[in-house]
Amino acid sequence: GAGVSQSPSNKVTEKGKDVELRCDPISGHTALYWYRQSLGQGLEFLIYFQGNSAPDKSGLPSDRFSAERTGGSVSTLTIQRTQQEDSAVYLCASSSFFGGGPSRAVTDTQYFGPGTRLTVL
Amino acid sequence: DAKTTQPNSMESNEEEPVHLPCNHSTISGTDYIHWYRQLPSQGPEYVIHGLTSNVNNRMASLAIAEDRKSSTLILHRATLRDAAVYYCILRDPRFGQGAQKLVFGQGTRLTINP
Repeated sequence: GAGVSQSPSNKVTEKGKDVELRCDPISGHTALYWYRQSLGQGLEFLIYFQGNSAPDKSGLPSDRFSAERTGGSVSTLTIQRTQQEDSAVYLCASSSFFGGGPSRAVTDTQYFGPGTRLTVL
Repeated sequence: DAKTTQPNSMESNEEEPVHLPCNHSTISGTDYIHWYRQLPSQGPEYVIHGLTSNVNNRMASLAIAEDRKSSTLILHRATLRDAAVYYCILRDPRFGQGAQKLVFGQGTRLTINP
């Protein structure tokens, strides 16, 4: 079946502009995660959704970053007033985790999309 | 959080077995050991996970030391397609009821020679 898809695959923008990155999770997956991967920082967690709510936003680097999820499916990560340090590959993942306790959470598999490469000039 | 230590890089030859080590000396009794890998220009993908016993699946085997302070991911017969960065990740079920983020370290970059 279809995996996680992300769009655009590449985005080049000018410093100060706003950008929106989109993630389409695997159909039926209730949990959705955003990560980013930059040369200096490796892979880091940004935010996670369970359904349409975001219980963990601890990784968002500043208030310029926000994300939403509608209909328990598509998610959009928005970066306002982009800065050069925002340049990175933004990765989305989804899982079928729906609850059931901590042991279920830590054995749930996350499926990643191909990422969006963001370059801020 | 308990941390993992992996070699920065390893090299092996095609069709030979590969043993990728991971040290986690501060692992708690409830931590699960997960491995993900990231092929070039792709997002990470799940490989295998375990708690105490050794585990096998179609991709790899996971050997866990008796004291759980280290583990080894085994690729039985490496192919060129196995060239990737391999991440060893601990996941602790004590952190709440919700789904859990993955905490990635630097991983091991595996090179496969033809």
